[in-house]
Amino acid sequence: GENVEQHPSTLSVQEGDSAVIKCTYSDSASNYFPWYKQELGKRPQLIIDIRSNVGEKKDQRIAVTLNKTAKHFSLHITETQPEDSAVYFCAASPNQAGTALIFGKGTTLSVSS
Amino acid sequence: DTGVSQDPRHKITKRGQNVTFRCDPISEHNRLYWYRQTLGQGPEFLTYFQNEAQLEKSRLLSDRFSAERPKGSFSTLEIQRTEQGDSAMYLCASSWGDEQFFGPGTRLTVL
Repeated sequence: GENVEQHPSTLSVQEGDSAVIKCTYSDSASNYFPWYKQELGKRPQLIIDIRSNVGEKKDQRIAVTLNKTAKHFSLHITETQPEDSAVYFCAASPNQAGTALIFGKGTTLSVSS
Repeated sequence: DTGVSQDPRHKITKRGQNVTFRCDPISEHNRLYWYRQTLGQGPEFLTYFQNEAQLEKSRLLSDRFSAERPKGSFSTLEIQRTEQGDSAMYLCASSWGDEQFFGPGTRLTVL
């Protein structure tokens, strides 16, 4: 079945710096790749997603890139702010109907001011 | 609040007892998912419904776990003969398309 690896597990940056989180997946049939942000004690919330027919997507300070050949995708956060501090999860959907999400283990991002 | 809701938010039980959790999805979302999340890990898929049909079930799901969505709206997840290893956050999500919206979760503690 699908397996998603996520790196790094922790990331500390200074306010205003950029942060990059990388994920790899194993199932070439995966076609949907969302990123979730989870603050302490809160539910995971979708921040951006990308589908396999797109190589890059941007939403203000957040961007995601996808390399289908290499089976990896990355989250880029620019001009980080303290409120970006949270755990970020990447996920892949291995089913054409977009069903079960297989999550990475998460990256704890700390932004210090 | 029109988001996904779950009840109860916290459950403490003794080993060997049965527990049942409820999830109310966003209205008109035809897909409903259950995930389990332990500390320091990402959500782990358990099972998925499209309307009232249970279409996918994780191979990791013990036969002590059963889920239903009888009328295609709310869903219940039951764990029989709970074990300490069942302690986790149980998350429900719903969707119409690809994007899954998560509920606040039910935190289960098995003593």
